[in-house]
Amino acid sequence: RKEVEQDPGPFNVPEGATVAFNCTYSNSASQSFFWYRQDCRKEPKLLMSVYSSGNEDGRFTAQLNRASQYISLLIRDSKLSDSATYLCVVNRMDSSYKLIFGSGTRLLVRP
Amino acid sequence: GAVVSQHPSRVICKSGTSVKIECRSLDFQATTMFWYRQFPKQSLMLMATSNEGSKATYEQGVEKDKFLINHASLTLSTLTVTSAHPEDSSFYICSARSGGSGGKGDTQYFGPGTRLTVL
Repeated sequence: RKEVEQDPGPFNVPEGATVAFNCTYSNSASQSFFWYRQDCRKEPKLLMSVYSSGNEDGRFTAQLNRASQYISLLIRDSKLSDSATYLCVVNRMDSSYKLIFGSGTRLLVRP
Repeated sequence: GAVVSQHPSRVICKSGTSVKIECRSLDFQATTMFWYRQFPKQSLMLMATSNEGSKATYEQGVEKDKFLINHASLTLSTLTVTSAHPEDSSFYICSARSGGSGGKGDTQYFGPGTRLTVL
């Protein structure tokens, strides 16, 4: 079983739609959680950190449920420029500071 | 934000040759650098963790004699793919962790990646 699991998609939505991505992690020792965005043939870029209380950044809302080991990302009012692969990332925050990446969920926003 | 560079951005080489990839943190000192590999339509897979002045720690299944890592300074780590074969063709990405110095906090910053094609 992968340590971080995501639905690969693709999610194909019209502009303006609301779309939600889910992610589960298996290591209960995980301490920090992130959503990264990766465009085709580019490096991943940090979209937002995920906090236990939930957090919002413009059209993006992230939620964390530690009891269920579940993370979500909600994108409202989708833009064409949101088309990318969204990576759920977990950091164990042990001495290694390793980031564990999910396989990503691909989003396609159509006109 | 912090900047991490990689060089080269793209390399094509013949089978059997060695390729060196450089990863530099441009405006902060990186206590730790990480090397990842990404095959098409797959996620990033951590290859090794590199701490300045010490030997790299390799993930299970990654051959340390094939993927040589040198982290000689707080701003430079190199990955050498020795005797490259077509199956080594991949997107290699480094990241650098500041460890809280320079006001950057404990965050990882990714380089733009190096696309390796072995013929």
